[in-house]
Amino acid sequence: TQLLEQSPQFLSIQEGENLTVYCNSSSVFSSLQWYRQEPGEGPVLLVTVVTGGEVKKLKRLTFQFGDARKDSSLHITAAQTGDTGLYLCAGERMDGSYQLTFGKGTKLSVIP
Amino acid sequence: GAGVSQSPSNKVTEKGKDVELRCDPISGHTALYWYRQSLGQGLEFLIYFQGNSAPDKSGLPSDRFSAERTGGSVSTLTIQRTQQEDSAVYLCASSLSGTDLDETQYFGPGTRLLVL
Repeated sequence: TQLLEQSPQFLSIQEGENLTVYCNSSSVFSSLQWYRQEPGEGPVLLVTVVTGGEVKKLKRLTFQFGDARKDSSLHITAAQTGDTGLYLCAGERMDGSYQLTFGKGTKLSVIP
Repeated sequence: GAGVSQSPSNKVTEKGKDVELRCDPISGHTALYWYRQSLGQGLEFLIYFQGNSAPDKSGLPSDRFSAERTGGSVSTLTIQRTQQEDSAVYLCASSLSGTDLDETQYFGPGTRLLVL
């Protein structure tokens, strides 16, 4: 079973602070995706990283895929209250099925 | 439709009853996925459809769970003889083909099931 461990599980920060969320595994993934989910809604894809060592930026969000394609991080600069939500990472399996294995998520609260 | 829709949005049932959950994928999407999200847990994969066939049913937790897809579009997830541990949010997603690397899955809003 390919497992993804996310940390921290909960994070509460003040508006304007920076934060990093981690997604780790002992398994290699074809790609890794980050989603954001708000209460009462389904997850929405933020980014997909495919190449080991890849870094992608989406405004104040920076996503990095580990060199060995086993881990990833999400860094948010100058957090805003609108960043509040559940952040999920998901790895695409290497077995050709393109199925996703999800982490349990990091629940982020940004306090004004 | 514009997005993935699911119905009902909420369902409360008594232990032992059967429930049927519906998913309408994005028009033209060949692949359809069902996931379960329990409190404090990540999304748990249940089943994947490629057209009307289900090449991967590995995530169905027991034989009380079944799913079908007709006409390459709408899918229903049926839970028979519901148990309290079945309480969760059931999410459906669809993607264009299900066979391409890093293909985007689009999620519906989910059905919140509560078994009393």
